[in-house]
Amino acid sequence: SQQGEEDPQALSIQEGENATMNCSYKTSINNLQWYRQNSGRGLVHLILIRSNEREKHSGRLRVTLDTSKKSSSLLITASRAADTASYFCATNDSGGGADGLTFGKGTHLIIQP
Amino acid sequence: ETGVTQTPRHLVMGMTNKKSLKCEQHLGHNAMYWYKQSAKKPLELMFVYSLEERVENNSVPSRFSPECPNSSHLFLHLHTLQPEDSALYLCASSHTSSETQYFGPGTRLLVL
Repeated sequence: SQQGEEDPQALSIQEGENATMNCSYKTSINNLQWYRQNSGRGLVHLILIRSNEREKHSGRLRVTLDTSKKSSSLLITASRAADTASYFCATNDSGGGADGLTFGKGTHLIIQP
Repeated sequence: ETGVTQTPRHLVMGMTNKKSLKCEQHLGHNAMYWYKQSAKKPLELMFVYSLEERVENNSVPSRFSPECPNSSHLFLHLHTLQPEDSALYLCASSHTSSETQYFGPGTRLLVL
């Protein structure tokens, strides 16, 4: 069953602006992850936030998690053309290893030069 | 992407063909996964192998048959596929103690 639901489905901004993507999920989770996918290629892990964390940073990325609202956001600051990609949130329900992730449909981000 | 490799990168097959997708990971992981990515649908988990044993099978039709001969290799054997099986098939690996998965570049499959 679909877990993560990203919003918006597509986002186009100018280079240098900040991009914000949201994700909602339905069940209890142990962690939530964000991945990036460049056109038809494999996914690259960006950041993982655990259910007991509220905010996490990695370089130009900032992720928040609100477990009461079952939602997360991914902020990319000072966007670059190379950030053009699809971004997916994925949830891990049990927190153990060797569990499949449940993905949303993704947000397609376009950075205009 | 060199951590997890997939071959072939592109595959066209007829509905009566038998083919296999191969995935190899060079990261020392002990869990491997197959996902299917169709247009306008979320990634769907197909199979999970942990320590070379299948631990999850998400109601995948029997025309898809996985095989994990060792912790570094994962296969997906295909036979009598349908056109709706056309998709990007992604392999991933992880360590059982870590939730982060590392993905291969995928095999783009077209079933005619």
